[in-house]
Amino acid sequence: SQELEQSPQSLIVQEGKNLTINCTSSKTLYGLYWYKQKYGEGLIFLMMLQKGGEEKSHEKITAKLDEKKQQSSLHITASQPSHAGIYLCGADAQHDKIIFGKGTRLHILP
Amino acid sequence: DTAVSQTPKYLVTQMGNDKSIKCEQNLGHDTMYWYKQDSKKFLKIMFSYNNKELIINETVPNRFSPKSPDKAHLNLHINSLELGDSAVYFCASSPTGTGTEAFFGQGTRLTVV
Repeated sequence: SQELEQSPQSLIVQEGKNLTINCTSSKTLYGLYWYKQKYGEGLIFLMMLQKGGEEKSHEKITAKLDEKKQQSSLHITASQPSHAGIYLCGADAQHDKIIFGKGTRLHILP
Repeated sequence: DTAVSQTPKYLVTQMGNDKSIKCEQNLGHDTMYWYKQDSKKFLKIMFSYNNKELIINETVPNRFSPKSPDKAHLNLHINSLELGDSAVYFCASSPTGTGTEAFFGQGTRLTVV
């Protein structure tokens, strides 16, 4: 069955540093979504990518979907403590399914 | 072995009906959630249960009532269904409510006609 793999599972970075989180599927994705879960809270929608090669930015967060629509990356520039949390990718997969990755836990060190 | 399972996967029903969606997790997690994904793909948290106690109850209509017979189950009952209730509903679980990732079910696509 189609799955989303996120890497890394956990990430610790110094405040001010850049970082990248990846989300990979073995099959074509029809829509890719990035969410953020703050500790102890629910999911917050960040952005959605649908077209191969698409790139979107929101404040210091940029997400890209590759041309084959099988991999997406989330890049944070000049990380801040407010970026800490769990980042989750979700996708519209084949056969009308919606799937999620396992999440990447991000810690920001002051 | 499915970690978080929801039933049914698809649900088509008429306005005014009462329906339930079931969720079970075999991960031994303490916290379970219900999310609603709207047409814009936003995931909105509806309820969260920790060890059978409600800890989050976002602003949802009273027609929605979560029921947790034990910490492995969190069912969602909906009374007097309306057209606007059509959405995909996701159940999720996590080890605790803080600092841990959530494992999602496959979703229940509810269509109210």
